[in-house]
Amino acid sequence: GAVVSQHPSWVICKSGTSVKIECRSLDFQATTMFWYRQFPKQSLMLMATSNEGSKATYEQGVEKDKFLINHASLTLSTLTVTSAHPEDSSFYICSANRDRGYEQYFGPGTRLTVT
Amino acid sequence: AQTVTQSQPEMSVQEAETVTLSCTYDTSESDYYLFWYKQPPSRQMILVIRQEAYKQQNATENRFSVNFQKAAKSFSLKISDSQLGDAAMYFCAYRSRRVIQGAQKLVFGQGTRLTINP
Repeated sequence: GAVVSQHPSWVICKSGTSVKIECRSLDFQATTMFWYRQFPKQSLMLMATSNEGSKATYEQGVEKDKFLINHASLTLSTLTVTSAHPEDSSFYICSANRDRGYEQYFGPGTRLTVT
Repeated sequence: AQTVTQSQPEMSVQEAETVTLSCTYDTSESDYYLFWYKQPPSRQMILVIRQEAYKQQNATENRFSVNFQKAAKSFSLKISDSQLGDAAMYFCAYRSRRVIQGAQKLVFGQGTRLTINP
């Protein structure tokens, strides 16, 4: 149990367009979901925390108008990269908490390439 | 704010040998969790082991064990009988046990790339 999926696994988009990444908890209800960004050979950088039905909490330095996060249900959170630019190219990972458990369950990640 | 530091960017070990990865952290809290995560080339994050700060006993999971020194704020991971499948990036992470908004987030170290030599 406790499986988190992400879709798509890999996306290429043109500069100036928007792209949406979905994160789903498949067999549990996720009260909290997290979005991370990871550059090659670097650690995970937390972008934002989202709770179902409320606005996401963004980390300092993350542009909330550029990275739109919606947590519409207890099993789905989406990250939309608006007006994408090549510097937004990265690996994006989501994770989810079940109830108030300690463990975060990670999705497999999405590789975004902006051309 | 809490910080996690991994001072070894890369480590290598011979297959079947033992290796220890280091991690130190800084916090003013007394109750928290510490984790080691593994990220293989697939980039899927895998939980290796966790430690609750209130527990004095070091956590173990098969070939993986930790040396948790709360006063020194040190949390090292020992991998025994290293196997080729252990090759990966390893991240140390901290999580508060406070039940308030924002406290559930993980704070990661920089990572250590572990290579297993056959």
